[in-house]
Amino acid sequence: NAGVMQNPRHLVRRRGQEARLRCSPMKGHSHVYWYRQLPEEGLKFMVYLQKENIIDESGMPKERFSAEFPKEGPSILRIQQVVRGDSAAYFCASSRDSINSPLHFGNGTRLTVT
Amino acid sequence: DAKTTQPPSMDCAEGRAANLPCNHSTISGNEYVYWYRQIHSQGPQYIIHGLKNNETNEMASLIITEDRKSSTLILPHATLRDTAVYYCIVRGNNAGNMLTFGGGTRLMVKP
Repeated sequence: NAGVMQNPRHLVRRRGQEARLRCSPMKGHSHVYWYRQLPEEGLKFMVYLQKENIIDESGMPKERFSAEFPKEGPSILRIQQVVRGDSAAYFCASSRDSINSPLHFGNGTRLTVT
Repeated sequence: DAKTTQPPSMDCAEGRAANLPCNHSTISGNEYVYWYRQIHSQGPQYIIHGLKNNETNEMASLIITEDRKSSTLILPHATLRDTAVYYCIVRGNNAGNMLTFGGGTRLMVKP
């Protein structure tokens, strides 16, 4: 009964490169959420997806960031042309289809942009 | 979603009960109270949630006042490993059902 799996755990990119962060939700969960935590700051919601659909991307920057949750495979958060300000911990969470169902979080991907 | 207010920090002696308060005076009738914690730089860990009634699980108890305007998370026998930031979140029936994290309470369990 594996939890939410995120990989890689640590990712180092040079400015201008692309970062791809993967998230495999818990078994039976069809809802995926991405959060970002900047150093010494709180968790900020980025995007909420269901299979093949983006439901709410109100927290995601309009440029360079994109997310997907395909019918098969993990959810992907993609950051193009990374900048130093993108350095943060990115957490993925998954849940079942209910407000009464908790979100369960992975242990995050720590992105460092050099 | 309703806003929550928590003390920024609390101390607790190891082995004693830790009682973490949360105010959510603008909570709506269909909104749940959720508690999470984040230990160091790990992912947030789900603790417990409730709507109206008190709830208990293997980790903690959640006491919600009758008017639902406040709640208390109780860790019955705190250990050093319970040192973490604890978040009280009111989860509304919005389109995303997402959780909005505030500043939380930094609980320090001391030997």
